[in-house]
This record gives sequence, C-alpha cells and structure tokens, in this order.
Amino acid sequence: GQNIDQPTEMTATEGAIVQINCTYQTSGFNGLFWYQQHAGEAPTFLSYNVLDGLEEKGRFSSFLSRSKGYSYLLLKELQMKDSASYLCAVRSDYKLSFGAGTTVTVRA
Amino acid sequence: KAGVTQTPRYLIKTRGQQVTLSCSPISGHRSVSWYQQTPGQGLQFLFEYFSETQRNKGNFPGRFSGRQFSNSRSEMNVSTLELGDSALYLCASSPGQNNQPQHFGDGTRLSIL
Repeated sequence: GQNIDQPTEMTATEGAIVQINCTYQTSGFNGLFWYQQHAGEAPTFLSYNVLDGLEEKGRFSSFLSRSKGYSYLLLKELQMKDSASYLCAVRSDYKLSFGAGTTVTVRA
Repeated sequence: KAGVTQTPRYLIKTRGQQVTLSCSPISGHRSVSWYQQTPGQGLQFLFEYFSETQRNKGNFPGRFSGRQFSNSRSEMNVSTLELGDSALYLCASSPGQNNQPQHFGDGTRLSIL
C-alpha cells in the first residue's frame, strides 16, 4: 500500500517563500505529482518528478529524493491567490495515491 | 480543447438507492480515473480505466463499480447508497502513460439523505 504524509497547514506572508514537504512509502513508484486545489474547485496539476533532483516551473519548484522517499514543493514570491490546498500524489501501477493535503494560507 | 466534463454537478439521493455518474475525458485521452473526496479521508482512488479495461482499483466495496466505453467516456455506479457515500466524486483523464499528469473535472457532489 501507500503511505503519504504532508503537514496539515502552513501560513506565510505575501512575497515570502514556503516549502511543503511530503514523505512517502510505496510498494512501487512511477513518479510523484503535486496538485493545487482551491476551495470548491478541482485539483490542477503543478509538477511531476520521477528522477532525483529539482524541477523548476516559474515560481514553483519541486524536488525528489527517491532513496529517502521525500519530496518538497517550493512556492516563491507568494501571492494571495496561492492560498489553497497542495496535494502530494504518488503514482504506482496506474494508481495515483494522494496525501491528505497541506492548506497554505497567504497573509498580507 | 474542452476539459474533463462530469455530469451531473449535484445529486441528492436517499439511502438504498443507486446512482450513476458520468465522465467525458479530454479529447484524445484514453485513461479515466475516479476518486472520492471527503473532508475526513481526502482524495481516495476508486478505479482507473484504459481502453475499456480496468487497470487498477482501490479499496472500496463492490457497491462501487465503473465502466468505460469505446469513445473513452466513463460511468461510475454506486448501488445501495449509504450515508457515508456522501462526497465529491472526481473524474480525471490522461493520455494513459504513468508519467503523464491527470486532469480533473469539476466533480459531482453527491448527498445522501
């Protein structure tokens, strides 16, 4: 089975940086995805990592260490619209298993 | 390009009834996955279909079933509804490979009275 852990809540100030950690234990691994979900909306895809290292996409970056079962999502230059839930998800055998999500609140 | 379309958006049923939810994937996508989202359990994987075949399923009782048609559209059925089945049911589509992201529809909000 899959066990995916991420913090429940984080708060940061507009313009700051926030790092959301995700640890996982899985019986198989085909990649790790990060999704953003605003309240009342569907999740939207942010990033994908399958090899160790950092993937950068504008203000968002994601890192993966497969040997440590660890990933993080880095959000830079935070904006109010970044207030949302961030979901870590591990792909294995065509199944996507999600963590419980981290609610990020951005304050002015 | 149209996104993933789920119908209906909202549904109210009573215990013991059955329900069928529909999902139309993004054009060209052959994989459709279904998820249940509740405040307490988060996003839980139900099953995934590719070219009309179920490739994987989650840990839900047999009351939850699905199917996929030749045009990649998918339906999910829940029989003998229970109060605990109240949830947001999300459908996601992708081209089908493990390294390709899934794109979600807006979901069907199912309420059981």
